[in-house]
Amino acid sequence: QQQVKQSPQSLIVQKGGISIINCAYENTAFDYFPWYQQFPGKGPALLIAIRPDVSEKKEGRFTISFNKSAKQFSLHIMDSQPGDSATYFCAALPLSGTYKYIFGTGTRLKVLA
Amino acid sequence: EPEVTQTPSHQVTQMGQEVILRCVPISNHLYFYWYRQILGQKVEFLVSFYNNEISEKSEIFDDQFSVERPDGSNFTLKIRSTKLEDSAMYFCASSEAGGYTFGSGTRLTVV
Repeated sequence: QQQVKQSPQSLIVQKGGISIINCAYENTAFDYFPWYQQFPGKGPALLIAIRPDVSEKKEGRFTISFNKSAKQFSLHIMDSQPGDSATYFCAALPLSGTYKYIFGTGTRLKVLA
Repeated sequence: EPEVTQTPSHQVTQMGQEVILRCVPISNHLYFYWYRQILGQKVEFLVSFYNNEISEKSEIFDDQFSVERPDGSNFTLKIRSTKLEDSAMYFCASSEAGGYTFGSGTRLTVV
């Protein structure tokens, strides 16, 4: 069964610090790895995504690092701000032709002012 | 920016009643999805819909669930006989291919 394991479950970071959330997948049949940000009462919103042919992608304060051999990818939030406090989900899209995402279990991030 | 619209935002229903959750996907998107999220838990796939038919469904999507695209713009999820464990946030999403846009969700509470 295809799974994406996400850690930690919750994270508290001081303002200005670096938030790091990790995900690992169990087989190689994924083609696209997005991260979603969800605020309370809202739907998940695409934050940043990467394909397995690159090892890193940066957009502003958000960076995805991708390690294909280890089957791991992580989200780094630099200079974390209280407004970044949200739940973050990693996801993976299988190669099989379906567009059904496999989501991680989520990380609740709190950035202290 | 185009968005996916879901109504109602919150629905309370008696156990055993039928509910219909409505979604208006982004107009040029071809793929439609329903996901659900039980409070504090991960986002779970229910069903995907393409070319006016179900393309994939999960084990959760049993005979009490159905989807429809009745008029070319709306995309609905019907739960025929709700159970307490159906209480969750239900998210509609649409995509051209790959990248999803999610709606804000419908919070379904079954009492």
